Parts: sequence; C-alpha cells; structure tokens
Amino acid sequence: DAMVIQNPRYQVTQFGKPVTLSCSQTLNHNVMYWYQQKSSQAPKLLFHYYDKDFNNEADTPDNFQSRRPNTSFCFLDIRSPGLGDAAMYLCATSRGAVTGETQYFGPGTRLLVL
Amino acid sequence: EDKVVQSPLSLVVHEGDTVTLNCSYEVTNFRSLLWYKQEKKAPTFLFMLTSSGIEKKSGRLSSILDKKELFSILNITATQTGDSAVYLCAVSLGGGADGLTFGKGTHLIIQP
Repeated sequence: DAMVIQNPRYQVTQFGKPVTLSCSQTLNHNVMYWYQQKSSQAPKLLFHYYDKDFNNEADTPDNFQSRRPNTSFCFLDIRSPGLGDAAMYLCATSRGAVTGETQYFGPGTRLLVL
Repeated sequence: EDKVVQSPLSLVVHEGDTVTLNCSYEVTNFRSLLWYKQEKKAPTFLFMLTSSGIEKKSGRLSSILDKKELFSILNITATQTGDSAVYLCAVSLGGGADGLTFGKGTHLIIQP
C-alpha cells in the first residue's frame, strides 16, 4: 500500500550528538513536511519541501536542517540535540496540486534526548 | 475507521460577513482537535482544543469543541479578504497512533 514511512519509530540520542530522522513515501507526492510535536502541544511545522524547493519556517532553529535527495525521501537532521528537542517528529506529504489538499502523515518518530 | 468531516467544503461570502465552519469526527482515542489555516502549501496552526465548552479566541477567530456531540466550530467575524484560505480541521489520536487525521478542509473565499 502507498504510504508515508518513518524510521525509526523511537530514537534515543545523547545531548549534543547529531541525529538523523528519515521519512520515505510511496505516494509520489511533491510536497513533504516535517512537524515537531511536543507533549500536549499542537504539531509545529518546521519546514517543507515542494519538490526540491526548501521552505523554512521563520522560527525553526538553525539546529534543525533537512535534506531531500529525491522525491521519495526526506531527512531531518538535528545537529546538536538539546533536552528541549525531545518530541514526536511527524513527516507528512501532499500532492501539491491544489491549496489545502489533504496531508498524509507518517506514524512519527519519538525522539528522546538523554 | 477514524474519520474527520468538514462542512461546507467551500464557501463564498462578502467582506464583513461572519462565517462558521464545521468539523465533526468519529475517532478512537481522541486526544485533541486542531484547526489550521492553509493559504499556499503549508498550514498555519490556529487552535488546539482538548476540553469541551471552552472557547478559544484569537482576534476575530474563535473556536469551541463539543466532545459529547463530537464536533467543533470555527468562527470568523468581520471577515477580510486576507481570511481567504482553506481551513483544515485535524484530530490528534491517543494510544499508539500519535499522528493527525485531517478533514478535507473548507475552502473559504472572501469577496471584496
């Protein structure tokens, strides 16, 4: 089945140790999003790619970077994780054909920073 | 199957009108309901609702949740052309599925 896949589902890292979260999609969608969701808070958009066009949200910390080497894959790199970066990270995709279309979300990666 | 239904799917009003957008849901392990505004490709967060009957307000926008009847409304008063957008309702599920289930959105057009 076509889907959005995130690996791993749970990631434990150490304070300051770089970590990469991955997302892949079989939907052939143009747009891929990364959201951060902390406990009891709404998901917060970090950035998105429309094809290779990268769009960073104004308040996304520089510590967070993203790569999209091809249509299917998108990575979230956290260069120096702090304790405050512990959260659920959600990847989503959409076709990008029309405004407001449905986003399809992956199951998320829960990041724990020790 | 978890379901979030928004109505109407599209709405055209004149500047200055008040609009009410609806969102109903049928999900397991409900945790919260979220409203987003999407003008181009990425949604902007508006409200998160977890408790029934407590209105959340931000300027001309307000929203309320009814967990007994399983619905939420988003009100926009004194609409402006800048309010034209798609308004997305999403439900956050508890348990092992921590993602969001979105409705199809309401496409709101404000005419001058």
